[in-house]
Amino acid sequence: GAVVSQHPSWVICKSGTSVKIECRSLDFQATTMFWYRQFPKQSLMLMATSNEGSKATYEQGVEKDKFLINHASLTLSTLTVTSAHPEDSSFYICSARLLAGVDYEQFFGPGTRLTVL
Amino acid sequence: GENVEQHPSTLSVQEGDSAVIKCTYSDSASNYFPWYKQELGKGPQLIIDIRSNVGEKKDQRIAVTLNKTAKHFSLHITETQPEDSAVYFCAASNPNTGNQFYFGTGTSLTVIP
Repeated sequence: GAVVSQHPSWVICKSGTSVKIECRSLDFQATTMFWYRQFPKQSLMLMATSNEGSKATYEQGVEKDKFLINHASLTLSTLTVTSAHPEDSSFYICSARLLAGVDYEQFFGPGTRLTVL
Repeated sequence: GENVEQHPSTLSVQEGDSAVIKCTYSDSASNYFPWYKQELGKGPQLIIDIRSNVGEKKDQRIAVTLNKTAKHFSLHITETQPEDSAVYFCAASNPNTGNQFYFGTGTSLTVIP
């Protein structure tokens, strides 16, 4: 099946620093990748939709200057949390849609736990 | 936009019993309904899905039913086992919004040995 990886799996950083999270589709090409945020015991909230070679589309309320998304290739998207603060601590999950697959399937990564001190 | 509601939020069953989780959606244009299992500290894993042109789908102990008229779909797990304990999320995909997923609020299932 289609495998999506994320790196790192967890990260702890000081307030004010920036953190980059990578999302890779390991055995397929993905035209579209999605970034979600999940707080403890809550559902997944879509942050942005990332298409290869174009600017990401952010959901209402998500600051695009704070959460920088780059989708430079068909197998890699990155999310950079700039000037992170404790309220940015969360579980970040990416998903990917196959280039040649059906347009409604998404394959999820294992998530990245971000803790901002 | 689409709104997905999920019930119950928590569910405890004895091992071997069945578990049922229900979801409703608001936009009749939604046409794909996946169910995900999420274990603590991990990403969601697809366990079963159904398209709007099908009323029921089964995969071993897991089944999903869809009622398009009533706009609700359900996950059925039979002969539950302790390893089924996890949080389950339903989702609806709407082609009018680029097949974006709208997730339910999750159900924490505990199977008691």
